[in-house]
Amino acid sequence: DAGVIQSPRHEVTEMGQEVTLRCKPISGHDYLFWYRQTMMRGLELLIYFNNNVPIDDSGMPEDRFSAKMPNASFSTLKIQPSEPRDSAVYFCASSFDLLAGSVDTQYFGPGTRLTVL
Amino acid sequence: DQQVKQNSPSLSVQEGRISILNCDYTNSMFDYFLWYKKYPAEGPTFLISISSIKDKNEDGRFTVFLNKSAKHLSLHIVPSQPGDSAVYFCAASLLGANNLFFGTGTRLTVIP
Repeated sequence: DAGVIQSPRHEVTEMGQEVTLRCKPISGHDYLFWYRQTMMRGLELLIYFNNNVPIDDSGMPEDRFSAKMPNASFSTLKIQPSEPRDSAVYFCASSFDLLAGSVDTQYFGPGTRLTVL
Repeated sequence: DQQVKQNSPSLSVQEGRISILNCDYTNSMFDYFLWYKKYPAEGPTFLISISSIKDKNEDGRFTVFLNKSAKHLSLHIVPSQPGDSAVYFCAASLLGANNLFFGTGTRLTVIP
């Protein structure tokens, strides 16, 4: 398997523009996670899905952020309108659904470095 | 509020010596802990984990120690190698949950 695939790898945009980040999880994985990495807060969980259904979006910073998972092999994270403070590296990760009480390893994509000017 | 904290943003160690990376957490309900390693321009990769029912887990040169009473865990790398130079993230999860809480990371530099 190619691992978790993210696109684009780099995105530079101007304030106010819409940004869409894409993720293809590892085939067969039941969970998909979106993270944001910043120096101040490290890796923050934004939202995660189980079997394409959003489970917890409490980490989404504000209404400008939205995420969808229309099928098991694709997810998007959209920021509209984008702001300079959204500049960060955004990671997508996926994992299996193990037995209750077990935590499976999360496999991360290479990330998308977003710069909002 | 940051529930998992890595108070040392960076650490430098001589090749062959021991590297000790520390992590503290505030939520006593965390029951599973993991360490991830991240190279530049790559996503984090899983390194080693420990369940709350244990106090030590070893995998080759890597050992994780858990002190539940102190809400503290540490990652020991011995001997350290230049290829270990990376950012190390500590993470924790709650029983029955699949989401992880990550720390801010510690950048380890192993000097040849």
